[in-house]
Amino acid sequence: DAGVIQSPRHEVTEMGQEVTLRCKPISGHNSLFWYRQTMMRGLELLIYFNNNVPIDDSGMPEDRFSAKMPNASFSTLKIQPSEPRDSAVYFCASSPPRGLAGVSYEQYFGPGTRLTVT
Amino acid sequence: GQQVMQIPQYQHVQEGEDFTTYCNSSTTLSNIQWYKQRPGGHPVFLIQLVKSGEVKKQKRLTFQFGEAKKNSSLHITATQTTDVGTYFCAGPMSSGGSNYKLTFGKGTLLTVNP
Repeated sequence: DAGVIQSPRHEVTEMGQEVTLRCKPISGHNSLFWYRQTMMRGLELLIYFNNNVPIDDSGMPEDRFSAKMPNASFSTLKIQPSEPRDSAVYFCASSPPRGLAGVSYEQYFGPGTRLTVT
Repeated sequence: GQQVMQIPQYQHVQEGEDFTTYCNSSTTLSNIQWYKQRPGGHPVFLIQLVKSGEVKKQKRLTFQFGEAKKNSSLHITATQTTDVGTYFCAGPMSSGGSNYKLTFGKGTLLTVNP
């Protein structure tokens, strides 16, 4: 079975350019998460979708960041304009629906996009 | 807000030695999850603990959930070079909807000297 798919795997861009990261969650999963990982700040949740609807975007750093989920199989994270401090690894993760027991929150991470902004 | 603290931040061991990482939450958790991230890789789900005092084993890995459901530990017996990586604990924080977002600890980086 295919896991979470992210593209591109690596992105190098110049400051001021627009960057779009893409994610395809695991089929059947109804929650999608965008994370940013840096040495200094660790793994930070940026935004979380449930059934394609943004539930919590409190982790989005500023208005330069935006995320969409037009359907259950695709999401994008856009940075416009990009800045050097945005350099990080961006992970997308998906999670299956909560089971009848009410406990099913494990997240499946994609391979990540390593973004470098010069 | 909810915080999940992990110690130690780093641990270097000789192959064959044991390793333990500890996770503490500022609030009671409904469950706790553990993930492993190999160098250059992505976090991979290891296990979820739900019940107070629960202990689960996966081969050489033993996971415990505290009685008060505010702390957890991961113990690796007789480490191997394949155990190298960063181990994260994560606790769910309710934000509405049918699933919950996770708060991750900063992780413990384990290195193993062969």
